[in-house]
Amino acid sequence: NAGVTQTPKFQVLKTGQSMTLQCAQDMNHNSMYWYRQDPGMGLRLIYYSASEGTTDKGEVPNGYNVSRLNKREFSLRLESAAPSQTSVYFCASSSLGSNQPQHFGDGTRLSIL
Amino acid sequence: DAKTTQPNSMESNEEEPVHLPCNHSTISGTDYIHWYRQLPSQGPEYVIHGLTSNVNNRMASLAIAEDRKSSTLILHRATLRDAAVYYCILGLDTGRRALTFGSGTRLQVQP
Repeated sequence: NAGVTQTPKFQVLKTGQSMTLQCAQDMNHNSMYWYRQDPGMGLRLIYYSASEGTTDKGEVPNGYNVSRLNKREFSLRLESAAPSQTSVYFCASSSLGSNQPQHFGDGTRLSIL
Repeated sequence: DAKTTQPNSMESNEEEPVHLPCNHSTISGTDYIHWYRQLPSQGPEYVIHGLTSNVNNRMASLAIAEDRKSSTLILHRATLRDAAVYYCILGLDTGRRALTFGSGTRLQVQP
């Protein structure tokens, strides 16, 4: 069972470069999420997609864009990377309905120099 | 938003039970209590959730106080693999259904 797959696992960027983090789930979930986790802290929501074709901002959306490509895939794009975006990025998915468990990928560790 | 209070860290010995406390005195009547854990270098993992009654699953048990102002996650026999950060989370953001993570409890398990 693959669950939630994130690529790449590691990436180093220079300030001002752009990149897209990929996320795919094979559980037929409707909802998908992007979180970031800074060292020693809990996760914070960047963007979410309640269902295919919809996206909305979370707690810390500045500097990011997202695309819900289809039901399986939800990508996160950094248009002009900044050192403050150095973090571990986690994608998650869940089925519809209140309080359904979220399933997380193993994360992308992103460093911006 | 309702908030939770957890100890920063706890220690346990392998094969002994572990009781991880969580205080949530401002919990609303509709807030579920969720527990997730995060092993080193991995994404969070769902453990258990409940509303009012105690809950059991293959991973753990959740004991909820009668007034719902506190709860306890119980690992019946700790293993080294249970060493992780445990997060107690109330409800979900309205509309977003996203999780609001605090700093959690870091559990160390000694052999």
